[in-house]
Amino acid sequence: EIVMTQSPATLSVSPGERATLSCRASQSVSSNLAWYQQKPGQAPRLLIYGASTRATGIPARFSGTGSGTEFTLTISSLQSEDFAVYYCQQYNNWLPITFGQGTRLEIK
Amino acid sequence: QLQLQDSGPGLVKPSETLSLTCTVSGGSISRTSYYWGWIRQPPGKGLEWIGSIYYSGTTYYNPSLKSRITISVDTSKNQFSLKLSSVTAADTAVYYCAGGPNFFDYWGQGTLVTVSS
Repeated sequence: EIVMTQSPATLSVSPGERATLSCRASQSVSSNLAWYQQKPGQAPRLLIYGASTRATGIPARFSGTGSGTEFTLTISSLQSEDFAVYYCQQYNNWLPITFGQGTRLEIK
Repeated sequence: QLQLQDSGPGLVKPSETLSLTCTVSGGSISRTSYYWGWIRQPPGKGLEWIGSIYYSGTTYYNPSLKSRITISVDTSKNQFSLKLSSVTAADTAVYYCAGGPNFFDYWGQGTLVTVSS
């Protein structure tokens, strides 16, 4: 099983500032990585797939980089609606598909 | 725009079988390269992939749950279903249905299933 480790567990950032979230895979997942945003009481929403491709309707302030085992999600200028929990997911190895434990992005 | 609607009982007794159904609207469940899956989230915790199915019936199960899972598809009803047997309190979670090519770009609203007598 590929273990996905996200850091930090909680990130405190002021609105308008940049947020950088990390995701590390226990073995290479190539570029088969997705990022999701989840707000309380809601289903996750796809932000990024293929490590760097924004999903339909996702603002340009969200960007993803990385390949292999190290990945980063950057939110360039935080808006109030961006404070949420973010998960990475690998789909390089389907048995099983695995998620990171999440990073909570909170208002500083 | 695809929409997914999951449905099923919110309360299941220990040792019984949890059954959920997801109805896909706004498009065909038989669309090429799309996989239909179930993901769960225990209260206050992260996401766990349960398994996925292709419209042809090919299934992919999480090895940690494989012995207890059955996922099926009914293309005539544009639905897919989850059965999880021998449930315990550890299976209490919000269960989401979702679809996508490998990642999940469409999600249902989620159903909270509580395992309790």
